[in-house]
Amino acid sequence: AQTVTQSQPEMSVQEAETVTLSCTYDTSESDYYLFWYKQPPSRQMILVIRQEAYKQQNATENRFSVNFQKAAKSFSLKISDSQLGDAAMYFCAYRDMEYGNKLVFGAGTILRVKS
Amino acid sequence: DTEVTQTPKHLVMGMTNKKSLKCEQHMGHRAMYWYKQKAKKPPELMFVYSYEKLSINESVPSRFSPECPNSSLLNLHLHALQPEDSALYLCASSQAWSGRSAEAFFGQGTRLTVV
Repeated sequence: AQTVTQSQPEMSVQEAETVTLSCTYDTSESDYYLFWYKQPPSRQMILVIRQEAYKQQNATENRFSVNFQKAAKSFSLKISDSQLGDAAMYFCAYRDMEYGNKLVFGAGTILRVKS
Repeated sequence: DTEVTQTPKHLVMGMTNKKSLKCEQHMGHRAMYWYKQKAKKPPELMFVYSYEKLSINESVPSRFSPECPNSSLLNLHLHALQPEDSALYLCASSQAWSGRSAEAFFGQGTRLTVV
């Protein structure tokens, strides 16, 4: 079974600085998606960024970028120029092509942003 | 319109009550999901509907009864719940259940308290 591990329960970052959230996963599949979701106190899960395993290029969305290391099964999220609105719980998630859109989530990392 | 709308936002119910949660999307998505999320934990998949048919039931107790009356609407009927069923219930949708059908869009959730 696929597993997703986020080893940082909490992280803090100063406003305008850069922070990296870690995620590792385990799978025997070669084709899959990886995602970072953000869940602020408003509760809604918001997709931050996604990576397709067959694409070598790391995904980027404005201030958010990933470091995808397929061989190492590592998928970290870098947030540049951190803003107060980035404070949230961040979940790393995996989706297997074979089993469709069944997301496997990591335990989450709480990100605190200090002003 | 990229919204998944859930009602109500908050619900308090007694253990003998019957209530329903509602989820609606107008993105033309053909897959819809119910997740249960406990505080500071990742969402756990409960049910998947694909083309209005139940595709996955993750061994959810029968006191939770899903229904998909049409492609835009998903209900979760609740009956004889226990206090441990108190949680955030998230609905999500995606274009399809399998293949490269991109990401799941989540609603804001219903915060359920069973007293």
